Amino acid sequence: AQSVTQLDSHVSVSEGTPVLLRCNYSSSYSPSLFWYVQHPNKGLQLLLKYTSAATLVKGINGFEAEFKKSETSFHLTKPSAHMSDAAEYFCVVRDNDMRFGAGTRLTVKP
Amino acid sequence: ETGVTQSPTHLIKTRGQQVTLRCSSQSGHNTVSWYQQALGQGPQFIFQYYREEENGRGNFPPRFSGLQFPNYSSELNVNALELDDSALYLCASSLGGVSSSYNEQFFGPGTRLTVL
Repeated sequence: AQSVTQLDSHVSVSEGTPVLLRCNYSSSYSPSLFWYVQHPNKGLQLLLKYTSAATLVKGINGFEAEFKKSETSFHLTKPSAHMSDAAEYFCVVRDNDMRFGAGTRLTVKP
Repeated sequence: ETGVTQSPTHLIKTRGQQVTLRCSSQSGHNTVSWYQQALGQGPQFIFQYYREEENGRGNFPPRFSGLQFPNYSSELNVNALELDDSALYLCASSLGGVSSSYNEQFFGPGTRLTVL
């Protein structure tokens, strides 16, 4: 069975500094991987997806993630955090269904 | 283009009662998936409907059931409610079934169910 582990439940950064949200996955074959963002009282929004094409995936709002098979990781990064990035972020692996991680809450300090 | 909508937004029930949650899929989408998101956790897959048939189910008991209608809207029914059923229930619509290549799921804002 596939699963995903988000290594940090909470990440706090200052505005303008880099963001790193870590995700490790387990999979018996080549997975499809995603990052979703959830703002309060809003639906989940897809940031980016990896589906066995380029290992460096660019998403919306300046986010990107790199698929590293040797490390079974799919970490999410952004060069410069903005206040509007404060939200809950979910790493997801797709098997027959979507398996969500427990989430990482990103706080951005002014 | 109308996005995914869910009703009601909030609901309070007592143990043992039954509840029905509703989801209208995005225009043109024929697949609806339901998720349960407990407080502080990630969403967990309940089941998926594709063209009015259940097409995949997560680890949830039979008292969680669903329907999909010809217009592709969907209902989630939960019988014999338990305290642990308190959660945000999310609906997502997409085009295509489980076996198709990935098509993005578009999520609704959710229904928050509280069981007392």
